[in-house]
Amino acid sequence: KAGVTQTPRYLIKTRGQQVTLSCSPISGHRSVSWYQQTPGQGLQFLFEYFSETQRNKGNFPGRFSGRQFSNSRSEMNVSTLELGDSALYLCASSLDRGHQETQYFGPGTRLLVL
Amino acid sequence: GESVGLHLPTLSVQEGDNSIINCAYSNSASDYFIWYKQESGKGPQFIIDIRSNMDKRQGQRVTVLLNKTVKHLSLQIAATQPGDSAVYFCAEGGTYKYIFGTGTRLKVLA
Repeated sequence: KAGVTQTPRYLIKTRGQQVTLSCSPISGHRSVSWYQQTPGQGLQFLFEYFSETQRNKGNFPGRFSGRQFSNSRSEMNVSTLELGDSALYLCASSLDRGHQETQYFGPGTRLLVL
Repeated sequence: GESVGLHLPTLSVQEGDNSIINCAYSNSASDYFIWYKQESGKGPQFIIDIRSNMDKRQGQRVTVLLNKTVKHLSLQIAATQPGDSAVYFCAEGGTYKYIFGTGTRLKVLA
């Protein structure tokens, strides 16, 4: 079974631009979560989607948004990029993150904002 | 953000020795915990999990111990190998999300 895939793997943008990152979960997984990882803050939860509905959201500004499609694939968007948005963005999927479910991570998208 | 990701502690062990990585979690109501391994340039990889109705679980060369009284998790790696060099994270399951610990860098010395 193929793992979680994320595209693109690397991205360079400039301040003020916007970016869209894509995540394809493991086949059959319906829950997709997004995390931001930086050296200073570690792994921080962005949001979680299940059946095209956002069930939980972390403490990030409204510039960070996401969505999930009917095939469980998910995208996240960051508008008006800031230098501090440079990070590794990780997507994780699980069958259902309702309770005691293992999340499996993709390789991440490394975003550099100049 | 909710996770704490400040200075990353490092554990250096000799190849062949056992490693013990510790983690304190925050929510006494958490009932599911996972250890992940992250190698450079890769996403976190699942190692082992444990539910709160257990205090010990064993996998291949790894053991997780859970002490709910003091909200503490540990990961024991037997006969540590060079391929075990990575950053290890514990995570506690919350409602529709995980909360990750700071992470510990494990360095295996030849």
